[in-house]
Amino acid sequence: DVDLVQSGPEVKKPGESVTISCETSGYSFSRHWIGWVRQMPGKGLEWLGMIYPYDFDIRYNPSFQGQFIISADKSSSTAYLQWSSLRPSDTAIYFCARHVYCYNGVCQTADFWGPGTLVTVSP
Amino acid sequence: QSVLTQPPSVSAAPGQRVTISCSGTTSNIGRGFISWFQQFPGAAPTLLIYDTDKRPSGIPDRFSGSRSGTSATLRISGLQTGDEADYFCASWDTSLTSGVFGGGTKVTV
Repeated sequence: DVDLVQSGPEVKKPGESVTISCETSGYSFSRHWIGWVRQMPGKGLEWLGMIYPYDFDIRYNPSFQGQFIISADKSSSTAYLQWSSLRPSDTAIYFCARHVYCYNGVCQTADFWGPGTLVTVSP
Repeated sequence: QSVLTQPPSVSAAPGQRVTISCSGTTSNIGRGFISWFQQFPGAAPTLLIYDTDKRPSGIPDRFSGSRSGTSATLRISGLQTGDEADYFCASWDTSLTSGVFGGGTKVTV
């Protein structure tokens, strides 16, 4: 069975760094794009970007370019989302999701989602 | 401001049908690749519909999707109290080169 397990909640101060993870199992990690979606408190979903672990091809939402780094480790079938300098506006729940029906870096949908990681940034 | 536009809320009695609209442009909805997700409070989204009108296994046929031009629609028939949730439409935007979502619609039964 496909499973995505995310790391636990993080509480950070502005300017601090953090990396959250998404450990996958039950499918070929390298051969599926895996992406990240943000949900700010009480708000909707926002697509942040995705990575193709096979060749580490990464696509970022241009609206968020430069704000974080998406990476992956094939040996542990884990995807990561990393910030070097957090801002209070980064406070949100972050979901990882397996993307499917992809062609040339365009994916139709996301069929399996992790439970989410809450990142809180507060002075 | 979400790229795709949904009504904030819809409501209907148990057993009735609701429709949720999702308005976009020729760069996203107009090109297809439409998905719908259901999200209960405190939980992750789950896939309801993909490729405009296809259901993953396990999703009942009470949920159906369609598209006309640059608008997509999710229909939920035989409404149940367990359907109370937020529903999000999604697509790929070829101009933004990014996945995009609607703002979400809260369904009240």
